[in-house]
Amino acid sequence: GENVEQHPSTLSVQEGDSAVIKCTYSDSASNYFPWYKQELGKGPQLIIDIRSNVGEKKDQRIAVTLNKTAKHFSLHITETQPEDSAVYFCAAYPYNTDKLIFGTGTRLQVFP
Amino acid sequence: EPEVTQTPSHQVTQMGQEVILRCVPISNHLYFYWYRQILGQKVEFLVSFYNNEISEKSEIFDDQFSVERPDGSNFTLKIRSTKLEDSAMYFCASSPDSSGANVLTFGAGSRLTVL
Repeated sequence: GENVEQHPSTLSVQEGDSAVIKCTYSDSASNYFPWYKQELGKGPQLIIDIRSNVGEKKDQRIAVTLNKTAKHFSLHITETQPEDSAVYFCAAYPYNTDKLIFGTGTRLQVFP
Repeated sequence: EPEVTQTPSHQVTQMGQEVILRCVPISNHLYFYWYRQILGQKVEFLVSFYNNEISEKSEIFDDQFSVERPDGSNFTLKIRSTKLEDSAMYFCASSPDSSGANVLTFGAGSRLTVL
């Protein structure tokens, strides 16, 4: 079955710097890759997603890239702000299944 | 913005007791899910539910677990006889459709502690 690896597990950056989180997946048939942000005491919230027919997607300060050949995708946050501090999860949706497979999470801390 | 609501936010129970976790999905959504997150670990799929029946379940979702949509709004997860290893955060989610690329909206979670 699908397996999603995520790195790093923790990431500390200075406000204004960029942050990059990387994930790899194992099932080449996976076709949808969402990223979730989880703040303390809350459920995962979708922040951006990408489908397998697209290589890059951007939404303001957040971008995601997908390399299908290498089976990896990355989250890029530019001009980080303290409110970006949270746990970020990547996930993959294997083809023809209902289940989202999550990565292990990255705790991002943005210092003012 | 529409949201998924879950109750209780935290439940403490004794091993062997039955627990019911409740969820109110977004009103026009058709697909419902339960995921769980053991402390410090990744979020794991438990079960998906559509048209009043389970559409997919994981190996975690054994005979001790059941789901139900008793009325038009609630979606429940029942654990018949809780074990210590059932202690986790349980997240309900819903989506408007399931095409293999649907967008899930998660609730804030119910923390279950089994003593």
